[in-house]
Amino acid sequence: NAGVMQNPRHLVRRRGQEARLRCSPMKGHSHVYWYRQLPEEGLKFMVYLQKENIIDESGMPKERFSAEFPKEGPSILRIQQVVRGDSAAYFCASSQGGEQYFGPGTRLTVT
Amino acid sequence: GQQLNQSPQSMFIQEGEDVSMNCTSSSIFNTWLWYKQDPGEGPVLLIALYKAGELTSNGRLTAQFGITRKDSFLNISASIPSDVGIYFCAGQTYNNNDMRFGAGTRLTVKP
Repeated sequence: NAGVMQNPRHLVRRRGQEARLRCSPMKGHSHVYWYRQLPEEGLKFMVYLQKENIIDESGMPKERFSAEFPKEGPSILRIQQVVRGDSAAYFCASSQGGEQYFGPGTRLTVT
Repeated sequence: GQQLNQSPQSMFIQEGEDVSMNCTSSSIFNTWLWYKQDPGEGPVLLIALYKAGELTSNGRLTAQFGITRKDSFLNISASIPSDVGIYFCAGQTYNNNDMRFGAGTRLTVKP
């Protein structure tokens, strides 16, 4: 299965800890997007990256959140000093300039 | 930013009935997409529309890209229990990163 891979699927963190979410795009895709979804809501765009470049981070909170897509390896969404309001499902999508295909998501719970 | 209004928010129908849902926007999009999300999973792309007026089918699903480029609808014919889920519309501009999602239509199908 060459789909978008995300891990972990579930992540529990205590307030103040760091959360690292990983995304491996579909084979041949060089565009990666991160979205956040709260319960009963749609997906909210966070950031768009290409290899080694952040193209658009207009949806990222100004503090504590960062994303990277290194030359080698998966894209990482990093949340520092998590708070309860960070609890959500985080989805990664990839594309090669067209439609975006989504991974299964990481469900982050902050206790 | 662009806002997508998706309706209805939820639908409860009998197996075998047809379903219709739509999305409208205050701004023009170049691509409309329809996704389905099952509980605990990422959205799965159902149909992508690229031209104003385009009508596209995928099995029992039919979607249209509105002439004004500000709306789209999705029809599901002869619904079955596995159609249950949340359906999201998404509009995309040429930037490719600027994809906005509707809030979703939650479909329940009673056998």
